[in-house]
Amino acid sequence: DAGITQSPRHKVTETGTPVTLRCHQTENHRYMYWYRQDPGHGLRLIHYSYGVKDTDKGEVSDGYSVSRSKTEDFLLTLESATSSQTSVYFCAISDPSTVNTEAFFGQGTRLTVV
Amino acid sequence: KNQVEQSPQSLIILEGKNCTLQCNYTVSPFSNLRWYKQDTGRGPVSLTIMTFSENTKSNGRYTATLDADTKQSSLHITASQLSDSASYICVVLTGAGSYQLTFGKGTKLSVIP
Repeated sequence: DAGITQSPRHKVTETGTPVTLRCHQTENHRYMYWYRQDPGHGLRLIHYSYGVKDTDKGEVSDGYSVSRSKTEDFLLTLESATSSQTSVYFCAISDPSTVNTEAFFGQGTRLTVV
Repeated sequence: KNQVEQSPQSLIILEGKNCTLQCNYTVSPFSNLRWYKQDTGRGPVSLTIMTFSENTKSNGRYTATLDADTKQSSLHITASQLSDSASYICVVLTGAGSYQLTFGKGTKLSVIP
């Protein structure tokens, strides 16, 4: 799985609590992404990072924040979890020196908000 | 709005048979098109990447085609195996300067003995 580790793999949390998901890579790739995957939808981009401390919003960023203090780690925080954030979250990495550069995905984190 | 549409949503075939999955896209500007395989409970894994100038690309029993004029792609699986049971996702990369992927919803393929 191209040196990407997501933690935790599964989490159940209560509505209104903050939650942080971690993505760790050992590939030294510049770009890191957080997606969510829900039934009836393709993967949707939440936030991405193009370098340490450089992040930008994706199409479904409301209610989420991210941080990247070092190349290998990209954190996704749900500031106050809601039931609509129950989903499977995927981290991805790439180093787009060319447009044909591959993107590698982690194993996913299944988050349930009750 | 950039969109990727896939058909069928799901498909059941007998082991050893062939099948073809379809993808239509409206993404601009287009950079390349990818097919990913996603096994249950795992992240997507790339099968092929095709640029504007490539019509066909193969990866073992998987053959992808691209018609950039009609904005259509297909993924053909030959001599299916039980391990081909998975979701197959069509993904288009925009060439807008940032590395932005637009995902289809996927086709869920079940190969039965």
